[in-house]
Amino acid sequence: EIVMTQSPATLSVSPGERATLSCRASHSVNSNLAWYQQKPGQGPRLLIYGASARATGIPARFSGSGSGTEFTLTISSLQSEDFAVYFCQQYKNWPPSTFGQGTKVELK
Amino acid sequence: EVQLLESGGGLVQPGGSLRLSCAASGFTFSNSAMSWVRQAPGKGLEWVSGISSGSSDTPYADSVKGRFTISRDNSKNTVYLQMNSLRAEDTAIYYCAKKESGAAPFDYWGQGTLVTVSS
Repeated sequence: EIVMTQSPATLSVSPGERATLSCRASHSVNSNLAWYQQKPGQGPRLLIYGASARATGIPARFSGSGSGTEFTLTISSLQSEDFAVYFCQQYKNWPPSTFGQGTKVELK
Repeated sequence: EVQLLESGGGLVQPGGSLRLSCAASGFTFSNSAMSWVRQAPGKGLEWVSGISSGSSDTPYADSVKGRFTISRDNSKNTVYLQMNSLRAEDTAIYYCAKKESGAAPFDYWGQGTLVTVSS
């Protein structure tokens, strides 16, 4: 099973600032990496797939990069609606598909 | 608009059973693989089980293998999760999620249904 590790666990950011979230895979997943956003009381929403492609309707301030074992999600200028928990997921080797433990982006 | 609506959650005693349903609309259900993913209170996401479009492949997480059964009815656009021999550690919000066949992310998720296993 591929283990996904996210850092930091919590990121405190002010509106308008840049946020950088990291995700590391225990083995190479090539570019088979997705990022999701989850707000309280809601199911996750797909933001990024293929490590860098934005899903339908996702604003351009969200960008993904990386390949192999190291990945980054960048939110260029945080908006109020971006405060949420973000998960990465590998889908190269499944089953099982595995997720990181999440990064909470909170208001500084 | 893609919609996934889970139902069937509730309070059940340890050792009991529960059947979850997920009604899908807004896409060609019979062409899509589906999965169940759960989230224990305050925790991360754990993939539970998946089913291919034609039901030929039904993988399970080791934590539920032998206790849970996934199935689908393409005539009703619905996927099910039969959960038997429930344990306290199965307490979670259960989400159904849609994906394309092969190596693909979960592109749409439902709002989830809460399963609580407690005496």
